[in-house]
Amino acid sequence: DQQVKQNSPSLSVQEGRISILNCDYTNSMFDYFLWYKKYPAEGPTFLISISSIKDKNEDGRFTVFLNKSAKHLSLHIVPSQPGDSAVYFCAARSRSNYKLTFGKGTLLTVNP
Amino acid sequence: NAGVTQTPKFQVLKTGQSMTLQCAQDMNHNSMYWYRQDPGMGLRLIYYSASEGTTDKGEVPNGYNVSRLNKREFSLRLESAAPSQTSVYFCASRGEGSGRMALPDTQYFGPGTRLTVL
Repeated sequence: DQQVKQNSPSLSVQEGRISILNCDYTNSMFDYFLWYKKYPAEGPTFLISISSIKDKNEDGRFTVFLNKSAKHLSLHIVPSQPGDSAVYFCAARSRSNYKLTFGKGTLLTVNP
Repeated sequence: NAGVTQTPKFQVLKTGQSMTLQCAQDMNHNSMYWYRQDPGMGLRLIYYSASEGTTDKGEVPNGYNVSRLNKREFSLRLESAAPSQTSVYFCASRGEGSGRMALPDTQYFGPGTRLTVL
């Protein structure tokens, strides 16, 4: 049973526009959420996170929104740049342990 | 600081062969993890170690063993490799900061080992 779902395997946007990547979760025990970015042939790198006590966290061009009632979070990238082209993984931590559960990832392509 | 390092970067095995994937971190983290990444499957946890001397199974532990050699090193062993273990393997360690500026539960990943089992 997939507890963290990224339903869009891929997303294509134009440079300068907004990219919105979505993530849904089912486990009410998740209390901390992270986004990771992965380039080909490299390990995932941490991008931004949000605690369940917040509904928004911003870091430069990246903003993560959390809607706990809908069990949904999204990552907004504004403006999108070609260097943002990568696979983005959503991850969630359960307050009962220190393990992260990852989604399957969304491949973002930003076209010049 | 090198962060998390993994060796080897690439490996080709024949079915039935054994090998050990090495991982080391220089961030003084207590927790370390092994994941595998397969196309369309995301990252799946194989084993983890919450602290030196302890290891626990993750989501997909079958066919693997681990050793937490010391605080820095966490190795993953395939005793008898199978084609189903063809994958990219990532090691990670977890930051356990404190204070307002800390990033708790942020895992830092190594560059990965690409393993092919023929």
